[in-house]
Amino acid sequence: DVKVTQSSRYLVKRTGEKVFLECVQDMDHENMFWYRQDPGLGLRLIYFSYDVKMKEKGDIPEGYSVSREKKERFSLILESASTNQTSMYLCASSSGRTPATNEKLFFGSGTQLSVL
Amino acid sequence: GQSLEQPSEVTAVEGAIVQINCTYQTSGFYGLSWYQQHDGGAPTFLSYNALDGLEETGRFSSFLSRSDSYGYLLLQELQMKDSASYFCAVRDRVTGFQKLVFGTGTRLLVSP
Repeated sequence: DVKVTQSSRYLVKRTGEKVFLECVQDMDHENMFWYRQDPGLGLRLIYFSYDVKMKEKGDIPEGYSVSREKKERFSLILESASTNQTSMYLCASSSGRTPATNEKLFFGSGTQLSVL
Repeated sequence: GQSLEQPSEVTAVEGAIVQINCTYQTSGFYGLSWYQQHDGGAPTFLSYNALDGLEETGRFSSFLSRSDSYGYLLLQELQMKDSASYFCAVRDRVTGFQKLVFGTGTRLLVSP
């Protein structure tokens, strides 16, 4: 069974802390994504990566950075957490082999981050 | 840039048929996808349409009209377990690479 695993289901941090959200996939997928989900706003893309050490900004990259040192792992970093980064963070991956597989994202269960 | 519009909420009864519409604007269209998300769960892929027409997968069908920048998800023989949020998504070409952009979601409430 395919799997995208996010390291924490719930996380509470303080303003100004550096926060790491980890995501691992076991499907040998080329593409990995970080979204945040807020009520009424849907899923908004923060960053994505189509290969190891490669990254591209999504729609809302400000305040975030990412790291992809290995194909299976994609990390989201909040350099200095702020209260407006309280949200549900969803990691996803997809295979880039064909247009159809590129389309099918597999999501992790999400990390609900609260910044106090 | 890109934008997608879908209704915020739809209600229906068990056994009925419901249609969730999605209109989109994007600078480089490849296809329209649909995802389902139950409360507290992760989004899961339902369907993908790259060409005009209807694609059927069991009780769910998805339709695309590229000329109208419009698509819909059709759910038949509704069951209580279909109560969930449904998101349409399009791919948008950005500087030679592609990203998947989601709509804000339609919450479907199925009542007995």
